Amino acid sequence: GNSVTQMEGPVTLSEEAFLTINCTYTATGYPSLFWYVQYPGEGLQLLLKATKADDKGSNKGFEATYRKETTSFHLEKGSVQVSDSAVYFCALSPSGSARQLTFGSGTQLTVLP
Amino acid sequence: DVKVTQSSRYLVKRTGEKVFLECVQDMDHENMFWYRQDPGLGLRLIYFSYDVKMKEKGDIPEGYSVSREKKERFSLILESASTNQTSMYLCASSLIRTGFVNYGYTFGSGTRLTVV
Repeated sequence: GNSVTQMEGPVTLSEEAFLTINCTYTATGYPSLFWYVQYPGEGLQLLLKATKADDKGSNKGFEATYRKETTSFHLEKGSVQVSDSAVYFCALSPSGSARQLTFGSGTQLTVLP
Repeated sequence: DVKVTQSSRYLVKRTGEKVFLECVQDMDHENMFWYRQDPGLGLRLIYFSYDVKMKEKGDIPEGYSVSREKKERFSLILESASTNQTSMYLCASSLIRTGFVNYGYTFGSGTRLTVV
């Protein structure tokens, strides 16, 4: 079946540090890949997405590249801010499915001033 | 922007009560979903719906039912609430685009339900 594995948290960084949150997936074909962010007390918001191999999704300084050969979609940001503190979820949508998403377990990020 | 509205942010109910969680979206999306979110378990799909009066079981449907009488509204029903249903409940919707590419979900803000 389809699955998403994220690096375990929590992750604690100082402001302006470099961020990587690893995400690997298991799926047949060419799934679409997503990163969602959940700020405290809120629902999930779509952060970025990539729908085919080698695509790079980007938003708000975050980037992730769809790597088919390593089945990965790692999230990166060059310089984190305190306001980036949140839970980050990696997710996939199987090939040919416009409907369902499979989520990873989430990674808590805390950025200290 | 698409908006998904969940009727309550916080809810406290007693064991055995029938509980209704309401979700409304305003952009004519075909698909709607109910998830629960628990620490260490991530998001788990309870039920989803492709169209009015259509419903499909997700990964953990036991103890829940759903209703979709209108396209914009998707209700989650706890027939007889139990303490192990204490959780954060998230509603989401999505649009089917041409080519059947999934462009992602829009989530509501969540309902934190406590069953005592």
